[in-house]
Amino acid sequence: KAGVTQTPRYLIKTRGQQVTLSCSPISGHRSVSWYQQTPGQGLQFLFEYFSETQRNKGNFPGRFSGRQFSNSRSEMNVSTLELGDSALYLCASSVTGGPAEAFFGQGTRLTVV
Amino acid sequence: AQSVTQLDSQVPVFEEAPVELRCNYSSSVSVYLFWYVQYPNQGLQLLLKYLSGSTLVESINGFEAEFNKSQTSFHLRKPSVHISDTAEYFCAVSDPLIQGAQKLVFGQGTRLTINP
Repeated sequence: KAGVTQTPRYLIKTRGQQVTLSCSPISGHRSVSWYQQTPGQGLQFLFEYFSETQRNKGNFPGRFSGRQFSNSRSEMNVSTLELGDSALYLCASSVTGGPAEAFFGQGTRLTVV
Repeated sequence: AQSVTQLDSQVPVFEEAPVELRCNYSSSVSVYLFWYVQYPNQGLQLLLKYLSGSTLVESINGFEAEFNKSQTSFHLRKPSVHISDTAEYFCAVSDPLIQGAQKLVFGQGTRLTINP
């Protein structure tokens, strides 16, 4: 079956702009989590959505937001981009949200210039 | 708050040699423990996990890790590495009491380089 799909794979944006990233989970999976990966901070949890509701949230400013649709697809939005937002953004899906069954997508590499 | 420390940022080894990647976590409660592998320009792949039961867990490609509660460690080992094992390895922990236990806390990663 198809894996977790993240689009786009690569993105270049200008400081101050906003960006929307998309994640399509594996069919049947209802939980989607987002992570930010940078060389300096490593992998950090952003938030998790389950059945269209945000269930967990990491320590990121309000410029980072997300949502989940009825088909479990999720989007992540970053407003007023800063240079430090340049990162690989990964999403993971699972049936119920347990990490034992989480599958990661290939990520979206965002570069802010 | 939970934290994970991977003691080595880089580990170079020769092909067919044994390797150990070290991971320590800080938590006073029960945890779930994981090792993920990341190949260049790829996402994360789950290598193995400890949820409960036997403290020694194995993956299908020859890696194993042992949960040591007294030392709060979850070191990853392989008796004989292959060139294809070159990748970055991440240790992670989650709190089973948090609903949606997919909130993983990761270590900084260990870059394993296999030399011929």
